[in-house]
Amino acid sequence: KQEVTQIPAALSVPEGENLVLNCSFTDSAIYNLQWFRQDPGKGLTSLLLIQSSQREQTSGRLNASLDKSSGRSTLYIAASQPGDSATYLCAVLYTGANSKLTFGKGITLSVRP
Amino acid sequence: DGGITQSPKYLFRKEGQNVTLSCEQNLNHDAMYWYRQDPGQGLRLIYYSQIVNDFQKGDIAEGYSVSREKKESFPLTVTSAQKNPTAFYLCASSISLGQSNQPQHFGDGTRLSIL
Repeated sequence: KQEVTQIPAALSVPEGENLVLNCSFTDSAIYNLQWFRQDPGKGLTSLLLIQSSQREQTSGRLNASLDKSSGRSTLYIAASQPGDSATYLCAVLYTGANSKLTFGKGITLSVRP
Repeated sequence: DGGITQSPKYLFRKEGQNVTLSCEQNLNHDAMYWYRQDPGQGLRLIYYSQIVNDFQKGDIAEGYSVSREKKESFPLTVTSAQKNPTAFYLCASSISLGQSNQPQHFGDGTRLSIL
């Protein structure tokens, strides 16, 4: 079964800390992996998309890496701020899935001032 | 600004009633999707559509129906057959199915509750 796992479910860090959010997936046959941010009661905002042929993508203080062979992706957030507090979801587009994303359950991040 | 608009933001359903959730996009995307989100769970796909007048069942289609009469609109009906409809419903779109370099864009969701 193709699954996506995000552990831990919640994380609390002090402001200014660099942090890493982990995502693991069960099948290396993927088209891409996406990281989303969700604020309470809101929809998802796409942060970064890494295609199967890529190793990483960067946007501002965010850097996402992809290691297909080990079935892992990490989202690195530099110099965290209270405004980064949100739920971060990882989603994988497996090959043959006809554009059906498989989502992890998300990591709820709290950055303390 | 281009985007996806979902309405209403909150919706209440009575026993035995069908309700329809609206989703409109002005991104000129061909593909549209409906997801359900429950607390502590990941998003689950209900229905998706690749083009006008075509749609496919997702992983949890029972008790739901959709239509795609216009490119920009993909309404979801929660029927009385859906016995546990309380959830947060998210609509999404993408340029097309199977584009590995294109993300899905999401609306702000509709929260459905039982009266």
